[in-house]
Amino acid sequence: DAGVTQSPTHLIKTRGQQVTLRCSPISGHKSVSWYQQVLGQGPQFIFQYYEKEERGRGNFPDRFSARQFPNYSSELNVNALLLGDSALYLCASSLVYRDSPLHFGNGTRLTVT
Amino acid sequence: KNEVEQSPQNLTAQEGEFITINCSYSVGISALHWLQQHPGGGIVSLFMLSSGKKKHGRLIATINIQEKHSSLHITASHPRDSAVYICAGTSQGGSEKLVFGKGTKLTVNP
Repeated sequence: DAGVTQSPTHLIKTRGQQVTLRCSPISGHKSVSWYQQVLGQGPQFIFQYYEKEERGRGNFPDRFSARQFPNYSSELNVNALLLGDSALYLCASSLVYRDSPLHFGNGTRLTVT
Repeated sequence: KNEVEQSPQNLTAQEGEFITINCSYSVGISALHWLQQHPGGGIVSLFMLSSGKKKHGRLIATINIQEKHSSLHITASHPRDSAVYICAGTSQGGSEKLVFGKGTKLTVNP
């Protein structure tokens, strides 16, 4: 079985632009979570989606949004990019919506110039 | 103060040594995850536990709910164990919101 796949792997954007990151969970997994990891820091929770509904949101501005599709894949959108949005964006999938082992993708490295 | 604290921040060991990484948390959690992150960013989930002890190969994880403390032990450490180890708690509530520690960078020298 394929693991969690994220695309693209790397991305360079300029300030003010918009970006869409994509995540495909492991087959059968209905929960997808998104995390931001700034260099040298631990990850920070952004969103969780389960069965196509938002189940949790971290302390991120409204510029960050996400959705989950009927096939359980997910997109993370960030509008009006700031330099501080430069980070590794990680997606994780799990079978159920909580207290279930997490499977992480390799992440998307976003650089905002 | 971070809700999840790890110690030490950095750890250097010689191959074969017994390693212990500690994690303390101040929030109510329903489960504790231990994660391994290699250079390049990919994260692998090592353990998820809510009580007691789990073992997988040379890795052992324990948790004490009353003391809000968890430890990750590596026996007979090897250079390939070099990585950042992160503990994260699932906060009590209706989502899989993880609260992460800042990680422990482990270097095992041959």
